[in-house]
Amino acid sequence: DAGVIQSPRHEVTEMGQEVTLRCKPISGHDYLFWYRQTMMRGLELLIYFNNNVPIDDSGMPEDRFSAKMPNASFSTLKIQPSEPRDSAVYFCASSLLLGQVETQYFGPGTRLLVL
Amino acid sequence: GQQLNQSPQSMFIQEGEDVSMNCTSSSIFNTWLWYKQEPGEGPVLLIALYKAGELTSNGRLTAQFGITRKDSFLNISASITSDVGIYFCAGQGLQGAQKLVFGQGTRLTINP
Repeated sequence: DAGVIQSPRHEVTEMGQEVTLRCKPISGHDYLFWYRQTMMRGLELLIYFNNNVPIDDSGMPEDRFSAKMPNASFSTLKIQPSEPRDSAVYFCASSLLLGQVETQYFGPGTRLLVL
Repeated sequence: GQQLNQSPQSMFIQEGEDVSMNCTSSSIFNTWLWYKQEPGEGPVLLIALYKAGELTSNGRLTAQFGITRKDSFLNISASITSDVGIYFCAGQGLQGAQKLVFGQGTRLTINP
């Protein structure tokens, strides 16, 4: 079975450029999560969706960050304009809630370097 | 906000030794999860715990959901070199809320 798919796997860009990260969740999963991982702050939840609707975006750092989920099989995380402090690994995860039980499965991540 | 304290931060052991790590919180969690992350990859789910007091095994891994619902531990028996990685605990709080809170991770290094 295909897991969570993320693209690109690596991204190097210059400060001020727009960056778009992409995610395809596991088919049938109804939750999608975007995380950021850095050495200093560990894994941080940025935003999550349920049935394509954003539920909680309180972790989004600032207005430069935006996320969309136009359909059940695709989501984007956009940074515009990018800054060096945005350099991190960005993970997408998906899950399916069965009763009260749900576990999240992570993609391989996008390693972003903003110069 | 909710925070998890994971310890130890790092471990250096010999192959064949047993490993134990734990997470504690000041808040109650309904679910505890343990993930392993290898270099260049995303976290991979190892064990999920859904009931207080639950003890679950997955091969050489054993994890328990604390009775108070504020802690969990993960044990690895007879470690092997492929166990190297960073282990994260994660807690899920309120019913219906899907947010996970992650511990800081335990970096496991194994000498062959």
